Amino acid sequence: AQTVTQSQPEMSVQEAETVTLSCTYDTSESDYYLFWYKQPPSRQMILVIRQEAYKQQNATENRFSVNFQKAAKSFSLKISDSQLGDAAMYFCAYNTDKLIFGTGTRLQVFP
Amino acid sequence: GAGVSQSPRYKVAKRGQDVALRCDPISGHVSLFWYQQALGQGPEFLTYFQNEAQLDKSGLPSDRFFAERPEGSVSTLKIQRTQQEDSAVYLCASSFPRSFFSYEQYFGPGTRLTVT
Repeated sequence: AQTVTQSQPEMSVQEAETVTLSCTYDTSESDYYLFWYKQPPSRQMILVIRQEAYKQQNATENRFSVNFQKAAKSFSLKISDSQLGDAAMYFCAYNTDKLIFGTGTRLQVFP
Repeated sequence: GAGVSQSPRYKVAKRGQDVALRCDPISGHVSLFWYQQALGQGPEFLTYFQNEAQLDKSGLPSDRFFAERPEGSVSTLKIQRTQQEDSAVYLCASSFPRSFFSYEQYFGPGTRLTVT
């Protein structure tokens, strides 16, 4: 069975600094997608970034980038130039036939 | 509408009551998903529709949970004889293509159900 593990329940970062959130997963599939979702207190899940497993190049979306290590089954999210609005729960998710989420990392951003 | 909407946003039910949670997906979206998110946890898959067909209901925790999407648009998640362990946020998501494998799921704001 596929599983997703986020080992950091909470992280904090100073505004304008960089922070990395960790995610590992377990699967026997060779083709799949990985996602990072952001969930602010409003509860609305917002897609931050997606990575296709067959692509070796790490995905980047503005200040957000991933470090995808397929052999190690690792998928970390790097947030550069952190902003106060980045404070939220971040969920890593794996998708083949359904979305499987990790338990989340709460990110606090201090001014 | 512009996004996925869910109603009600909050629901308080006495143990043993039946509840119905509604999801309005983005217009034209073929796929619709329901997730259950317990406090402090990530969302967990409940069920999936492609148009009106319920293709996967493996995540429904018991036969008290029932979902339908009779006309391939609006969906209702019904919970019969609610129990305290049903207290959670219920999230609905939709996506456009027939294959949900790769494409973004757009989430609604969720319904927070509290069973007292």
